[in-house]
Amino acid sequence: DAKTTQPNSMESNEEEPVHLPCNHSTISGTDYIHWYRQLPSQGPEYVIHGLTSNVNNRMASLAIAEDRKSSTLILHRATLRDAAVYYCIPRSGGGADGLTFGKGTHLIIQP
Amino acid sequence: DTGVSQDPRHKITKRGQNVTFRCDPISEHNRLYWYRQTLGQGPEFLTYFQNEAQLEKSRLLSDRFSAERPKGSFSTLEIQRTEQGDSAMYLCASSRWTRAGGDTQYFGPGTRLTVL
Repeated sequence: DAKTTQPNSMESNEEEPVHLPCNHSTISGTDYIHWYRQLPSQGPEYVIHGLTSNVNNRMASLAIAEDRKSSTLILHRATLRDAAVYYCIPRSGGGADGLTFGKGTHLIIQP
Repeated sequence: DTGVSQDPRHKITKRGQNVTFRCDPISEHNRLYWYRQTLGQGPEFLTYFQNEAQLEKSRLLSDRFSAERPKGSFSTLEIQRTEQGDSAMYLCASSRWTRAGGDTQYFGPGTRLTVL
C-alpha cells in the first residue's frame, strides 16, 4: 500500500475554506485517491475520490497534483459539522481489499 | 436505504468471556468488511467477505477471532477468550462496486467493546 503523510491537525474558522493536504509519493499509477472522514463517535464516512482529474461533489472538491504524488481536499465553506478526522487513502481501481487508514488530520473548526 | 447497522452498540465483558457482534449491511451490497479501531488510531482492517465467501483476513485476526456471513447478508464477528487488548471499537462496512463509485464503503456506527 502507498504510504501517506498528512498533518496531525489543522484549525480553521467557520465559513472559511479549508485545504487539507496529503502526500502519497509512492502511489501506483492505477491507484485512486480516496478521502474519508470520521466525525466524533461515528464510523468513517466517504467524502470523495479521484484518479487524475480534479473532482467535485456536494461535500468537497479534490485537487490532484499533476504528478499524483499529492492531493488536497477542499472544503469550500467549513461548518462546525465538518470538525472530524480526515483520512487520505490510496486504493487500487478494482480494489476489493480493506481500506488502509493512517492517523489522518484532525480538523478543528472555530466558531 | 437504512444504512449499515451494528448490534450491540456497547459491550462490557470480563476477560476470558466470549463475545459476538452482528453487522447488517446495506441490502444489495455484496461486500462486507470488519475493522477495529483503538483510541487515537485510524481503523485497522480485519477481514472481508464477498457474498458469503471470506476472501481476505488480516494478520491482526488471531485464532481467537472468527467471522461468518452465512447467507451473504448479515455477518457476525466472534471473539473467544477475550483479553484486555481486545478493547476497541469494532466497525463494519459494506459496499457494492460500481463503475461510477468504485468500491465506496459505508460504515456502521460500530460496537464498542470493553474488556475488564
